[in-house]
Amino acid sequence: GAGVSQSPRYKVAKRGQDVALRCDPISGHVSLFWYQQALGQGPEFLTYFQNEAQLDKSGLPSDRFFAERPEGSVSTLKIQRTQQEDSAVYLCASSLEVLGNYGYTFGSGTRLTVV
Amino acid sequence: QKEVEQNSGPLSVPEGAIASLNCTYSDRGSQSFFWYRQYSGKSPELIMSIYSNGDKEDGRFTAQLNKASQYVSLLIRDSQPSDSATYLCAGYAGNMLTFGGGTRLMVKP
Repeated sequence: GAGVSQSPRYKVAKRGQDVALRCDPISGHVSLFWYQQALGQGPEFLTYFQNEAQLDKSGLPSDRFFAERPEGSVSTLKIQRTQQEDSAVYLCASSLEVLGNYGYTFGSGTRLTVV
Repeated sequence: QKEVEQNSGPLSVPEGAIASLNCTYSDRGSQSFFWYRQYSGKSPELIMSIYSNGDKEDGRFTAQLNKASQYVSLLIRDSQPSDSATYLCAGYAGNMLTFGGGTRLMVKP
């Protein structure tokens, strides 16, 4: 596709509900990243994929967060038993290069509100 | 302490002036640096990248990098009201971009 596509754009979840956020990167982009952006803050790294391999998940805040990219293209970020502190914008980014040293292209994000 | 630090602002400049945005970083392993612009409710948009010491110019934008001082800056010449946004500084190291908290820029007509 022409850009990084994320869905849904907005998600309201009741506390304790599981959610799944989807990212469709630019076709052919090897690297895929998930970031979490709280209101008024910069994006915080969550996890990184190179093709289907999850090479770094050091930013995932708890074991309630899980990400996958089984075929090396579309990725899903899953949050189990959502809590209010999970409310944020979840940004997906992709990069053509393996190391992503030339900057990322971000999707529009998913705004998650946990009530 | 965050690895990439920015003054949150707001930085207010009159239309036509030069806006100067600054960023410091702590990881000396950072290889390259990026400036992203983020309008309210939108996703970050890459506007400048810089990989070596010195200045890099692109239109009205100039990025400056001083690795010895661990300092990155972005100058916006002839600022326009449409430049009003949050500017995010990011450093690349260890397979990821680490972002600062952003500086909010307001350009007043």
